[in-house]
Amino acid sequence: DADVTQTPRNRITKTGKRIMLECSQTKGHDRMYWYRQDPGLGLRLIYYSFDVKDINKGEISDGYSVSRQAQAKFSLSLESAIPNQTALYFCATSAQKTDTQYFGPGTRLTVL
Amino acid sequence: GESVGLHLPTLSVQEGDNSIINCAYSNSASDYFIWYKQESGKGPQFIIDIRSNMDKRQGQRVTVLLNKTVKHLSLQIAATQPGDSAVYFCAENIDSGGSNYKLTFGKGTLLTVNP
Repeated sequence: DADVTQTPRNRITKTGKRIMLECSQTKGHDRMYWYRQDPGLGLRLIYYSFDVKDINKGEISDGYSVSRQAQAKFSLSLESAIPNQTALYFCATSAQKTDTQYFGPGTRLTVL
Repeated sequence: GESVGLHLPTLSVQEGDNSIINCAYSNSASDYFIWYKQESGKGPQFIIDIRSNMDKRQGQRVTVLLNKTVKHLSLQIAATQPGDSAVYFCAENIDSGGSNYKLTFGKGTLLTVNP
């Protein structure tokens, strides 16, 4: 969905490096989410934000941090990347008081 | 473990046949369900949703059925086409006063459509 964009689409990095993944949306949604997807494990929530002043941990937030710079932007950082953070990362958005989430195209991150 | 699961991890059908993808959930408080389609190299795409006050909802070539008695959800795709080949996820949400955010996702079923 072109309304939700993620950069970069692919990234290879080394253990210990700091990485930032960015998400932008033009849907005008208040809520934004970061998920990771691993084979056989489905989508797991890392962090979510209901508005620019709101940040909440998801089920697997350890090793990650986020920043909600504006309503349209939500970035995910790995302060010191480790190999088991190799995964597909998805950003999603939803409108306030609705449940349907709309996903970006994903970022494939490989940590060597 | 996750409360949302799938009976079949893979499903292979012939083009033109109908496909049925199943999903079981264990939380009786779940009141909203979504089906997503994920094609290779892409993010999950919303297909259809249903609330717990409904048993059936139809879209274009897709139908979602909800059986709350046995906590079962299914996605039916009519006249399956090669472009339907993808991983299909169900997800559930629990309403807690309109402020709940969390979707719990199943692990997915891979649908392969043979020409």
